[in-house]
Amino acid sequence: DQQVKQNSPSLSVQEGRISILNCDYTNSMFDYFLWYKKYPAEGPTFLISISSIKDKNEDGRFTVFLNKSAKHLSLHIVPSQPGDSAVYFCAASEVRAGNMLTFGGGTRLMVKP
Amino acid sequence: DAGVIQSPRHEVTEMGQEVTLRCKPISGHNSLFWYRQTMMRGLELLIYFNNNVPIDDSGMPEDRFSAKMPNASFSTLKIQPSEPRDSAVYFCASNFQYNEQFFGPGTRLTVL
Repeated sequence: DQQVKQNSPSLSVQEGRISILNCDYTNSMFDYFLWYKKYPAEGPTFLISISSIKDKNEDGRFTVFLNKSAKHLSLHIVPSQPGDSAVYFCAASEVRAGNMLTFGGGTRLMVKP
Repeated sequence: DAGVIQSPRHEVTEMGQEVTLRCKPISGHNSLFWYRQTMMRGLELLIYFNNNVPIDDSGMPEDRFSAKMPNASFSTLKIQPSEPRDSAVYFCASNFQYNEQFFGPGTRLTVL
């Protein structure tokens, strides 16, 4: 049973446009959410996070939105750049239960020049 | 800071052989995680250590897998005997308290 799902395995966007990556979760106890970015032959790198007490967190071109009632979060990248082409994983944790992350299956983003 | 260090980067072995993957976490981090990435199952947590003590090993697939953390700067993941279905990329990650996890570059394991 996948507790964190990324239903779009891939996404293609034109350079300069907005990229929107989506993530759904089923465990209502999750209270901390993260996005990781992964290039080929490298480990995932942390991108941005959000606590369940917020509904938005912004860092430069990256914004994460959290809709707790829908158990849905999204990552917006504006404007998209070719260097953003990578696999993006969303992850969730229940802080009280420890330090463990549950990852989604990933979405491959391709930004075309 | 060198980041999380994993060795080897690539490992090719034959079915039945013992495989040992190694990880050096970032200095000062007190939690260490072993993950496995496959096409079918994505990125899944195998085991998690806090202050060198295994906290949750519910993700370890079976008794053929074992992990140790003898000190704060070193951990191993051992597969004995290895099977073709163990072929995957194995990642080690570390963090301090509940901050974001930092991942190593991974070990690509191929079991023939």
